[in-house]
Amino acid sequence: TQLLEQSPQFLSIQEGENLTVYCNSSSVFSSLQWYRQEPGEGPVLLVTVVTGGEVKKLKRLTFQFGDARKDSSLHITAAQPGDTGLYLCAGGRSGAGSYQLTFGKGTKLSVIP
Amino acid sequence: DTEVTQTPKHLVMGMTNKKSLKCEQHMGHRAMYWYKQKAKKPPELMFVYSYEKLSINESVPSRFSPECPNSSLLNLHLHALQPEDSALYLCASSQSGTRMDTQYFGPGTRLTVL
Repeated sequence: TQLLEQSPQFLSIQEGENLTVYCNSSSVFSSLQWYRQEPGEGPVLLVTVVTGGEVKKLKRLTFQFGDARKDSSLHITAAQPGDTGLYLCAGGRSGAGSYQLTFGKGTKLSVIP
Repeated sequence: DTEVTQTPKHLVMGMTNKKSLKCEQHMGHRAMYWYKQKAKKPPELMFVYSYEKLSINESVPSRFSPECPNSSLLNLHLHALQPEDSALYLCASSQSGTRMDTQYFGPGTRLTVL
């Protein structure tokens, strides 16, 4: 089993602050996906990163894939209450005839107005 | 359109009932997945269908029975469930399932077993 460790597990910040969420593994992944999930809803894809060292920006969100493709980070600038949710990273690997995702345990973010 | 739909949104059933969860996508994806998610936990993979054939069964009890009638539809038949099976059941799809693909998730079915 390939493990993805996410940190922090919980994060509560004031509106306007910056934050970074980390996703680390001892294993190499072919790709890494970040999702945001609201309570009782399915995960919504934010970004997929595939190349070591890749940086992708999505408005106030910046995603980075580590050079060795074992880790990733999500940085949010000037957080808004609408950013509140569970952020999940998921690493992809081929195996057993299919391409599978391994999920981290998630980071629960609360942005206080 | 990256939409995966799931019905019903909520389901309450007794331990002797038989029910089915349904999932549909019209993105032309050939891989579909069932995940189970307990509260405050990440999704756990249950089944993978690739080109309408079951390719992965993650040691799921036989009271869960998946079915893929065609490339757009995925069902999960439930029978004789236990209260500990209560969870959010998520369906996802991806282009092929055999190479690096992004998975798109449906909104889930919240299942409660009494």
